Parts: sequence; structure tokens; C-alpha cells
Amino acid sequence: DTGVSQNPRHKITKRGQNVTFRCDPISEHNRLYWYRQTLGQGPEFLTYFQNEAQLEKSRLLSDRFSAERPKGSFSTLEIQRTEQGDSAMYLCASSRGQGAPYNEQFFGPGTRLTVL
Amino acid sequence: AQSVTQPDIHITVSEGASLELRCNYSYGATPYLFWYVQSPGQGLQLLLKYFSGDTLVQGIKGFEAEFKRSQSSFNLRKPSVHWSDAAEYFCAVGDNAGNMLTFGGGTRLMVKP
Repeated sequence: DTGVSQNPRHKITKRGQNVTFRCDPISEHNRLYWYRQTLGQGPEFLTYFQNEAQLEKSRLLSDRFSAERPKGSFSTLEIQRTEQGDSAMYLCASSRGQGAPYNEQFFGPGTRLTVL
Repeated sequence: AQSVTQPDIHITVSEGASLELRCNYSYGATPYLFWYVQSPGQGLQLLLKYFSGDTLVQGIKGFEAEFKRSQSSFNLRKPSVHWSDAAEYFCAVGDNAGNMLTFGGGTRLMVKP
């Protein structure tokens, strides 16, 4: 039983460059979530997918951010024209779909982004 | 809007001593409450959760938490701390639709030998 995996684990980039992260959820999970965690803070919700449909986006997700989940399997999070403020840990989580009473979210190890 | 406050940023306890980490939440309806632990280089691991029913919930690694609606609290406890418990602990509240978690700022636990 493999957990949630994320690649790369670390990414260093220069300001203005584009970066893309990948998340592979637990295979039978049809919900996938992205969170961002800055140093010394708790994770903050960015967006989530039910299968391939992106159902909710936080106001934290500016126009430079785009997330996709083609075919309802893995997901990618792209940041265009990176800024130093984008430096953070990007966490992915997955869970089963609708089910009572609540579906536990399983987290991956995260991708740490450093923007120079 | 839901929110979570963890008043203690850092806590240091001696190995073998008891532990209580505080968590206060704000949520309009019956909350879904969680405690996660995060060790360096590791993902968030769920310690325990509260949905309904018994207000004292047991989790993994000997942790427990008590839901107190009157105080809007969900404090995490452990009777005897081990050095391996040193980590960052996050309290979180889930929305009714199961779509997102709102986390507190975390409490970093250090364990003295």
C-alpha cells in the first residue's frame, strides 16, 4: 500500500521562472488536495479535485497558479513567473470520495520550493 | 469562516512527563477536529480525529484528545512523553463538506532527556 508521493522533493529556482510539481495520490482515492505551508505556519488550503474536476480554489491561488488532474489520477501544480513569496512547502493530500462521516486526508511528504 | 488557534508556539517537556497541547477552534456547526504530527522531512500524520460521540478520543502513539464544546477546545494529551515525540503538532478543523482542512499555526514540541 503506497502512500501519496510528490516529486520533486526539493526545487530551487530563480525568480521569474516557471515550476511544476507532481502529486500521485493513493490509487483508490478520488479526491486530491493541494496545501501550502510557509515556514513556521500551518498548512493553508489551495485547491481540491474530485476526480478530474477542480471544485474549489482558495483566494490564495493567484492567476499565476494552475492545477490540473487529467483523467482523475495524478495532479500537477504549476507556478508561473515565480516570486520569492512563493517559497514554501507544497503539500498534496488525497482521500476517498463521498462517505460518512468524513474522509481522512492522507498527506504526501511535500515539495519544498525555494525561489532565489 | 472556520479558524484554529494553537496558543503555544513552542513547548519543552522532560521525557516521561505528561503533555497537553492546546487547541481552540471557531466553527459554526458541529466541527470535525483533527490532530496531525509532522516530523522533519515527513508528511503530516494523523494522530486522532473527532467527528461525534464520545468526547474523549484515543489516537495512535498513546495520544488522546478531549472535545469540549463549551470551551471550543480540542486539547491533545499524552501521559508520558518519549523522546521520539519531538515534532510539530497541528490541530485542524474540517468543513462539513469534507473539502478542506483549516490548520492552526502549530506547536513545536521539544523533549528534554
